[in-house]
Amino acid sequence: QQQVKQSPQSLIVQKGGISIINCAYENTAFDYFPWYQQFPGKGPALLIAIRPDVSEKKEGRFTISFNKSAKQFSLHIMDSQPGDSATYFCAARVSGGGADGLTFGKGTHLIIQP
Amino acid sequence: DGGITQSPKYLFRKEGQNVTLSCEQNLNHDAMYWYRQDPGQGLRLIYYSQIVNDFQKGDIAEGYSVSREKKESFPLTVTSAQKNPTAFYLCASSNDRVTGTEAFFGQGTRLTVV
Repeated sequence: QQQVKQSPQSLIVQKGGISIINCAYENTAFDYFPWYQQFPGKGPALLIAIRPDVSEKKEGRFTISFNKSAKQFSLHIMDSQPGDSATYFCAARVSGGGADGLTFGKGTHLIIQP
Repeated sequence: DGGITQSPKYLFRKEGQNVTLSCEQNLNHDAMYWYRQDPGQGLRLIYYSQIVNDFQKGDIAEGYSVSREKKESFPLTVTSAQKNPTAFYLCASSNDRVTGTEAFFGQGTRLTVV
């Protein structure tokens, strides 16, 4: 049973455009929702994260939108740049001790065309 | 300079061999994790450990074993019972006692069966 569903699987965006990646979750006990960025041959690195008590979080060109009632959250990359080309993973966890790790979406391969 | 170190970066295994992947962290994190990454599959949890001398199976533990004799170290052994071991293996750590903290990943070990 996949607890975090991510879409699309791949995405091509023109330089300067907006990249949007969506995730949906099932477990209402999840209380921490990070996005990770991964370049080929490297480990994932935290990009931005949100708790369910806020509906939006922005850090530079990256924004997470969170809809608790719909159990959905999304990543928006504004003014997308070729350097943003990478694989992006959404994730979710129940935090605060006794957690069994992050549950990941299957990833989105993002290509920004110059 | 804190972080997670995985070694080796590349590893080749012959059929029927056991191999051990190393993971060391100097972040003073209690929790450590092993994930397996396959194309189009996202990251799947193999084993995790919340404290020294204790660990739990994740979603795909069959054919793998771990130990946690020291807080800093969480080696993963891929045994001959793992029928399809070729994959990218990622180690991570986090401070689960603090709600909503991120997981830090190592740079991964790519294991290939030859």
